[in-house]
Amino acid sequence: NAGVIQTPRHKVTGKGQEATLWCEPISGHSAVFWYRQTIVQGLEFLTYFRNQAPIDDSGMPKERFSAQMPNQSHSTLKIQSTQPQDSAVYLCASSLGGGVYEQYFGPGTRLTVL
Amino acid sequence: QQQVRQSPQSLTVWEGETAILNCSYEDSTFNYFPWYQQFPGEGPALLISISSVSDKKEDGRFTIFFNKREKKLSLHITDSQPGDSATYFCAASAQGGSAKLIFGEGTKLTVSS
Repeated sequence: NAGVIQTPRHKVTGKGQEATLWCEPISGHSAVFWYRQTIVQGLEFLTYFRNQAPIDDSGMPKERFSAQMPNQSHSTLKIQSTQPQDSAVYLCASSLGGGVYEQYFGPGTRLTVL
Repeated sequence: QQQVRQSPQSLTVWEGETAILNCSYEDSTFNYFPWYQQFPGEGPALLISISSVSDKKEDGRFTIFFNKREKKLSLHITDSQPGDSATYFCAASAQGGSAKLIFGEGTKLTVSS
């Protein structure tokens, strides 16, 4: 069991560029969650999918951020026109079901926007 | 509005002592409370969790005490080891609602030998 896989581990973009972050959930897990971690805001929920369907995106910034789960083996978080304030560690987690099951986190992608 | 609060922000204990990390919450619909351990450069790792139907959960050196009436819980780490030095996050979720986790600010634990 490889755990949740996130790629890349580090990404540096220039202001205004696009960034796409990838997540591969644990095999057999049907729910995928995205969180963001910064020193100032701490750990914040962004969005989650269950059986590939979007369930709750209440934490997603309304502009420039989007997430997809095209198949059960991966999810992507896309940030358009990146801004310095988007710099953070983006964490993906998966759980066995979409109810209250234990969530297992990946190592995160550190995004730095210059 | 911070729905989950942790204290202290940082804590230092000697090897072998018991570390006590505190957590409180506001939303009475929260009924699932996991604790995560995070080392620098890594993602949070699930350590132990409790549901609101229990008042205590034990796993080795780690024990959660839960007081539903006061909306408070605590994580006790007995016989603390230098390898326990990490940041610990309390989180909360509401079964039946969104499965998203609401995290506290974290407590940075340092165990000195």
